[in-house]
Amino acid sequence: TQLLEQSPQFLSIQEGENLTVYCNSSSVFSSLQWYRQEPGEGPVLLVTVVTGGEVKKLKRLTFQFGDARKDSSLHITAAQPGDTGLYLCAGALMNTGFQKLVFGTGTRLLVSP
Amino acid sequence: EAGVAQSPRYKIIEKRQSVAFWCNPISGHATLYWYQQILGQGPKLLIQFQNNGVVDDSQLPKDRFSAERLKGVDSTLKIQPAKLEDSAVYLCASSYRPGTAAGLQETQYFGPGTRLLVL
Repeated sequence: TQLLEQSPQFLSIQEGENLTVYCNSSSVFSSLQWYRQEPGEGPVLLVTVVTGGEVKKLKRLTFQFGDARKDSSLHITAAQPGDTGLYLCAGALMNTGFQKLVFGTGTRLLVSP
Repeated sequence: EAGVAQSPRYKIIEKRQSVAFWCNPISGHATLYWYQQILGQGPKLLIQFQNNGVVDDSQLPKDRFSAERLKGVDSTLKIQPAKLEDSAVYLCASSYRPGTAAGLQETQYFGPGTRLLVL
């Protein structure tokens, strides 16, 4: 059962445009992580947000955790071709004292020069 | 520091055959995970080990999938017999923090994955 829905599934934009990716769930998570995955590679962690309402910035990327810790968004300003990849959100659930990640459906981003 | 190593990188087999994947986590990482990532989807956790013990295997199809981490270091994931729907990328990940109630910011490091095609 997929607990996290991402939108949009696909996004093709021109260099310099802004975009927002959404990650929504009906479940409450102890934290929310965003990953980027490139072809032939495993996902690489970009950021972890922990507190409801938290906003973190990583250069041109802004991540926000919803107040109720059920949803999150990723905003990219002035996208560049190097931002191309699969963006995955992952919610952390605690299972018998151990952390379990539930991944979203993914958003595939293509930034053209 | 060396990352998570996986082999083979690619594997093509026919349905009903067996296949095994190997993972060597980052040195010192107590927790090891196997994920299945079907094309167009996010990774799905198959099994999680803490040292050589299983923490979570609730989504592992136990009639055909098995995994072990006998010495608490490297791990193998086996599929026997394979089905067409097993075609996917199998990702291994490891993390340093052993996993506690306070482990809110545990970071998982992923290997490059093994791409399996079942014909």
